[in-house]
Amino acid sequence: GGIITQTPKFLIGQEGQKLTLKCQQNFNHDTMYWYRQDSGKGLRLIYYSITENDLQKGDLSEGYDASREKKSSFSLTVTSAQKNEMAVFLCASRRDSYAEQFFGPGTRLTVL
Amino acid sequence: GEQVEQRPPHLSVREGDSAVITCTYTDPNSYYFFWYKQEPGASLQLLMKVFSSTEINEGQGFTVLLNKKDKRLSLNLTAAHPGDSAAYFCAVNNNNNAPRFGAGTKLSVKP
Repeated sequence: GGIITQTPKFLIGQEGQKLTLKCQQNFNHDTMYWYRQDSGKGLRLIYYSITENDLQKGDLSEGYDASREKKSSFSLTVTSAQKNEMAVFLCASRRDSYAEQFFGPGTRLTVL
Repeated sequence: GEQVEQRPPHLSVREGDSAVITCTYTDPNSYYFFWYKQEPGASLQLLMKVFSSTEINEGQGFTVLLNKKDKRLSLNLTAAHPGDSAAYFCAVNNNNNAPRFGAGTKLSVKP
């Protein structure tokens, strides 16, 4: 088995602030993902990475940067926080394209 | 691009009733299909997976049916109980590296 951890669990920032969310997995999975989930809504893909130092844009990449520093970790940066992007950010990983994704517990972002 | 449409967005049933959630997809190269459950305040967890049209998976009171000819995937609950209240998402894997998710169904089971 394995686990995905996300830090912090809650993140409060000021409008215009640069904020970083972190994700770690010990599954040894190649592919990692960042999703945004607005309250009561579905998942929107922000960035994903198929291997260390790889980055692929999702449907919602504008306003975000990402970094895959090593195989086990994937960071997401909100470049300038806006009040309309208060949401839960979910990190996920999977072994390969035949496999299911495993999700982290999420980081809840509040922008004041 | 690939579209995954999930219906209904909301579903309210009584305990013991059946419930059906359906996803349709457009990419004929889709080959692995998943259902995830998200309980209130929690993250997504895999509920079931199915890979071929001949496969009917059952577990935890759910049945998953896949019809590749019609590009339709369904999640069937035969006898709902309050613990099944959650959001359910289908996900479709194809040849690219990012699964496509349905928009979700919020299921509410009343005692």
